[in-house]
Amino acid sequence: SQTIHQWPATLVQPVGSPLSLECTVEGTSNPNLYWYRQAAGRGLQLLFYSVGIGQISSEVPQNLSASRPQDRQFILSSKKLLLSDSGFYLCAWGPGGSQYFGPGTRLTVT
Amino acid sequence: KNEVEQSPQNLTAQEGEFITINCSYSVGISALHWLQQHPGGGIVSLFMLSSGKKKHGRLIATINIQEKHSSLHITASHPRDSAVYICAADRGAQKLVFGQGTRLTINP
Repeated sequence: SQTIHQWPATLVQPVGSPLSLECTVEGTSNPNLYWYRQAAGRGLQLLFYSVGIGQISSEVPQNLSASRPQDRQFILSSKKLLLSDSGFYLCAWGPGGSQYFGPGTRLTVT
Repeated sequence: KNEVEQSPQNLTAQEGEFITINCSYSVGISALHWLQQHPGGGIVSLFMLSSGKKKHGRLIATINIQEKHSSLHITASHPRDSAVYICAADRGAQKLVFGQGTRLTINP
């Protein structure tokens, strides 16, 4: 069966520090992968999606970037965090229909 | 105006009541998703539908493509149904646009 992992679960980082969040999927190959953010009191927003290794599409301009170095690995990064980057970050994968979400990372930028 | 609108934003009901959450969208879609977000933040996909009606246990989802409207119903609601329910429009290639969510509280 397929499993999606995210880490860390929670993270507190100072403004201006770098960020790296990792997502891995097991039990499937060549999945579509997605990064979402849920800011406090707001709905989910698609940040990036990837249909294959090295193929990243950005949905909104922001302080973040994404990479897919391996088929089942999706990384969300920032060189310098802003206060507005705080939120709940979710990775998801889709086999061509439903999406399956990871447990999420709660990021607080102080 | 958001591309996906949900109503109500908050809903409190007594155990056993029939629950309806509504979702209207203004974009063209390939499918409509209903998700459940638990208090800890974890999200579970409940339904994906592009036409008609789907049922899973006490949950029923319907969609009217012409009216660009979907509903999620819960029959015989239970306190464990308390969660945030999120409607999401799939614009194609599974790029989802989300509603703001409906916070449901079922009191015993």
